[in-house]
Amino acid sequence: GAVVSQHPSWVICKSGTSVKIECRSLDFQATTMFWYRQFPKQSLMLMATSNEGSKATYEQGVEKDKFLINHASLTLSTLTVTSAHPEDSSFYICSALTPADNSPLHFGNGTRLTVT
Amino acid sequence: DQQVKQNSPSLSVQEGRISILNCDYTNSMFDYFLWYKKYPAEGPTFLISISSIKDKNEDGRFTVFLNKSAKHLSLHIVPSQPGDSAVYFCAALGNTDKLIFGTGTRLQVFP
Repeated sequence: GAVVSQHPSWVICKSGTSVKIECRSLDFQATTMFWYRQFPKQSLMLMATSNEGSKATYEQGVEKDKFLINHASLTLSTLTVTSAHPEDSSFYICSALTPADNSPLHFGNGTRLTVT
Repeated sequence: DQQVKQNSPSLSVQEGRISILNCDYTNSMFDYFLWYKKYPAEGPTFLISISSIKDKNEDGRFTVFLNKSAKHLSLHIVPSQPGDSAVYFCAALGNTDKLIFGTGTRLQVFP
């Protein structure tokens, strides 16, 4: 089946630094990838839709200058949390659409970000 | 405004019994529904889905029921096993590719 790899699985950084999270589709080309954020005991909240070769579409309330998304190739999308603050600490998950079936979406294993 | 709701944050079921997880939605444009299982610190994994043209879909121990008039779907797991203990999210798709998730229900299956 389709595999989505997310890296790193966890990261700890200091306030004010930037962190990059990678999302790769390993055995298929994903023209569309999605980035979600999950707070403890809460739902998965869609942050943005990443389309290869074009600008990401951000959901309302998500700061595009803070959460930079780059989908430079058909197998890689990156989320960069810039000038991280403790309130950015969360679990970030990516998912990708496969060309063959638009659903179900295939999810990465997530990245736990802790900002100290 | 929560378009997909899971009103029970947790459910505890004895092993071997049936687990019933419920989900309600408000957007009548949703036409495809999915259930995901999620362990802590992992991404969701797909379980089962149903199109709005059906009212039931079964896959092994998992059955999803859809009541369009009530805008309600449910996931039945029978028999429940300890390994089923996880958080279950229902999700809906409309005319976009965006999955809208419910808030999740934590299922605990005890021996």
